[in-house]
Amino acid sequence: QKEVEQNSGPLSVPEGAIASLNCTYSDRGSQSFFWYRQYSGKSPELIMSIYSNGDKEDGRFTAQLNKASQYVSLLIRDSQPSDSATYLCAVINTGRRALTFGSGTRLQVQP
Amino acid sequence: EAGVTQFPSHSVIEKGQTVTLRCDPISGHDNLYWYRRVMGKEIKFLLHFVKESKQDESGMPNNRFLAERTGGTYSTLKVQPAELEDSGVYFCASSQTTGNYGYTFGSGTRLTVV
Repeated sequence: QKEVEQNSGPLSVPEGAIASLNCTYSDRGSQSFFWYRQYSGKSPELIMSIYSNGDKEDGRFTAQLNKASQYVSLLIRDSQPSDSATYLCAVINTGRRALTFGSGTRLQVQP
Repeated sequence: EAGVTQFPSHSVIEKGQTVTLRCDPISGHDNLYWYRRVMGKEIKFLLHFVKESKQDESGMPNNRFLAERTGGTYSTLKVQPAELEDSGVYFCASSQTTGNYGYTFGSGTRLTVV
């Protein structure tokens, strides 16, 4: 079992729709969770961080964390073609500072 | 504020040669990390410096990889001798000591070993 699991996609949504990206993790003691966006050939860019159960909203992005289910999600409202990228879920495991990444979900927003 | 700078951006070397990658973190960031993404795989942690000290090097694949961070500023990652499986994109990231653990990544070095 991978430490951080994501569906590789591609996830295809029409422009203006809500994109829902999901991630599960195996280390129950993990405390910090991140979503990075990576355009092809570019570096990962942090878009959301979440540390406690519930929802955290920032503009069109909402991160959701459920530690009991070991589940993190990212919602993108009013999706735009410029949101088309690979979204990486990353976790900091117990006792460490290093990020453990999932393999990423490729999102395609169709104009 | 300048971001995390890596160079070279691309490097093509032959198997058995030596390559040195460099990373300049954001000024004032004590934490510096090296990560690697090989083709088709997820980004994997290599090691973590706090200032000039290696805090965690559990991700280093073997003793052909040597990382240094002289004076707690820039860092180098040397691969000697390079093997075909070392090909990939090497990312550096930095973060502050406290607070937000969301790192800032550099643009990466694409290493191709032929």
